Parts: sequence; structure tokens; C-alpha cells
Amino acid sequence: KAGVTQTPRYLIKTRGQQVTLSCSPISGHRSVSWYQQTPGQGLQFLFEYFSETQRNKGNFPGRFSGRQFSNSRSEMNVSTLELGDSALYLCASSLRTDEQYFGPGTRLTVT
Amino acid sequence: GIQVEQSPPDLILQEGANSTLRCNFSDSVNNLQWFHQNPWGQLINLFYIPSGTKQNGRLSATTVATERYSLLYISSSQTTDSGVYFCAVGDSWGKLQFGAGTQVVVTP
Repeated sequence: KAGVTQTPRYLIKTRGQQVTLSCSPISGHRSVSWYQQTPGQGLQFLFEYFSETQRNKGNFPGRFSGRQFSNSRSEMNVSTLELGDSALYLCASSLRTDEQYFGPGTRLTVT
Repeated sequence: GIQVEQSPPDLILQEGANSTLRCNFSDSVNNLQWFHQNPWGQLINLFYIPSGTKQNGRLSATTVATERYSLLYISSSQTTDSGVYFCAVGDSWGKLQFGAGTQVVVTP
């Protein structure tokens, strides 16, 4: 069974731009979660989607948003990028709320 | 929210040595996972262990949910065990709260 895939793997953007990251979960998994990892803050939860509904959201500003499609694929969007948004963004999938499996991540650099 | 504390923050081992990593959490949880983060950043699942004991090769883990802690044991360590080990606990809505990690360096 294929694992969680994320695209793109690397991204360089300029302050003020917006970015969209994509995540395809393991086949059959309906829950997708997003996390941000930075050296200063560690791994932080962004949001979780199940069957196209956002069920849980972390403490991030409204510039961070996401959605999930009917095939369980998910996207997250960050608008008006700031230097502090430079991070590794990780996506995880699970059947419901059990064991989560992570993708390889998207490394975003904001200049 | 749930607090997760991992200890020690850093661990230097000689190849062949055994070690124990600890994870304390502040509230009852539905999910507890141990991960190894590889040099490219991917989180590799080691154990899904909300309670009880599991073993996988040279690694084993124990979670005592009533006392709110989990232990990860590495036996006969190898250089490939180097990296950061994370403990993460989850609520009923699928949110994982991560600890700060333990940086493990195994020297030949």
C-alpha cells in the first residue's frame, strides 16, 4: 500500500506571497492532519480533516487554512507569507483518530 | 492542553549500548506514538502504544497510562539508530501533541 505523499517537496517563496501544499493520504484513510515543524517551536498541530470537515484546529492565525476533498486528498494554504512561516510542513493520515502515518514533508523557505 | 515532556533531551551512546527514553504526559490520552525522525525530516512510526508493552526487533516500548508515562527501550544500539526520537500523544479528535524530542547519537 502506498504511503502518504506530499507535493511539492521543496518550495521557496517571497514574503507576501501565498502557497498551497498538497497531501494524498494512504488509500482508505479518511483523516488528514497537518503539522508545522520549526527549530524554535518544534512540532505543532495545524488542523485535522475527516470526511471533508475540519474537526480540530491548532493555534495558528487565519492565514493558515486547509481543505479536504471527497477523495480524502487535502491541501493547506498559507497566505501573505512571513519569514517565520519557513518550516517543514508534515501531513499525516489515519483511518479515524488512531495511528497516524506521516508523509515526507514539504520544506518551505520564505525569503 | 496536554503537556508532553521527554527526557533526556540528548543522549550519546556507544554502539552496542542499551538506553531508555522517557515520555511523561499530563492527562489521559487516546493515542500514544513513538517516532524516529530521519535526516530528511520524515517521521517513521516506531510504536502505536496507548497502553501495554510492544517489541519490534531491538526496540520495545511500554506505556503505563494510569501513571501517564511511556518508555522506549533501544537495545544493542547501532549507528543507524541515531536521530531524533519523538513521543506524541493524541486526543479523541486526532490531534497529536509532540514532545520536544530526544536527540540520540550512536558512536562507532
